Amino acid sequence: DAKTTQPPSMDCAEGRAANLPCNHSTISGNEYVYWYRQIHSQGPQYIIHGLKNNETNEMASLIITEDRKSSTLILPHATLRDTAVYYCIVRGAGGTSYGKLTFGQGTILTVHP
Amino acid sequence: DSGVTQTPKHLITATGQRVTLRCSPRSGDLSVYWYQQSLDQGLQFLIQYYNGEERAKGNILERFSAQQFPDLHSELNLSSLELGDSALYFCASSGATGGISGYTFGSGTRLTVV
Repeated sequence: DAKTTQPPSMDCAEGRAANLPCNHSTISGNEYVYWYRQIHSQGPQYIIHGLKNNETNEMASLIITEDRKSSTLILPHATLRDTAVYYCIVRGAGGTSYGKLTFGQGTILTVHP
Repeated sequence: DSGVTQTPKHLITATGQRVTLRCSPRSGDLSVYWYQQSLDQGLQFLIQYYNGEERAKGNILERFSAQQFPDLHSELNLSSLELGDSALYFCASSGATGGISGYTFGSGTRLTVV
């Protein structure tokens, strides 16, 4: 599985956009980028995923660079409830790693009033 | 409610004992994944089952075992428990071996070994 690098922590003001970066320079052509978040000790929650194109859903937007070596998760209007650990994951696509999600340390996002 | 049900929510047991954690996947999902989250290790992948068969294995200890039953629920068995086994154990499910649409996690079982 390709490794990912995320900043350990970030702050954001409530109502502003939160932009969380992720580097995945060794990503393979058929590997997807997934984002999950974990609020306190709850189960991780799926946010969004993408392969090449930018993606948007009701929770967030995902911007993937053309060379696919990095991506940015955008929470357009952060709220206090978005305070969580955000994980950027490259999903294994071959052999026994197929389908396995490998979690790193993630980014602790703190949204403050 | 994510649709993935884990029981029990909390478990306290003594060292040397054996426990069984249960997971019911989301309706229609064939794959089940087990993860362990301790304070110093983060989320660690343990094992994956697809339609009753083991598909991938992570750093799962020999004292731990799992299985997926014909009704697709899964059980994680932890034996000869040690203090270091205290952790949150999460189960996740997906619709295929890859789960291209994402994985759905349960709310976890908090295991405390005393």
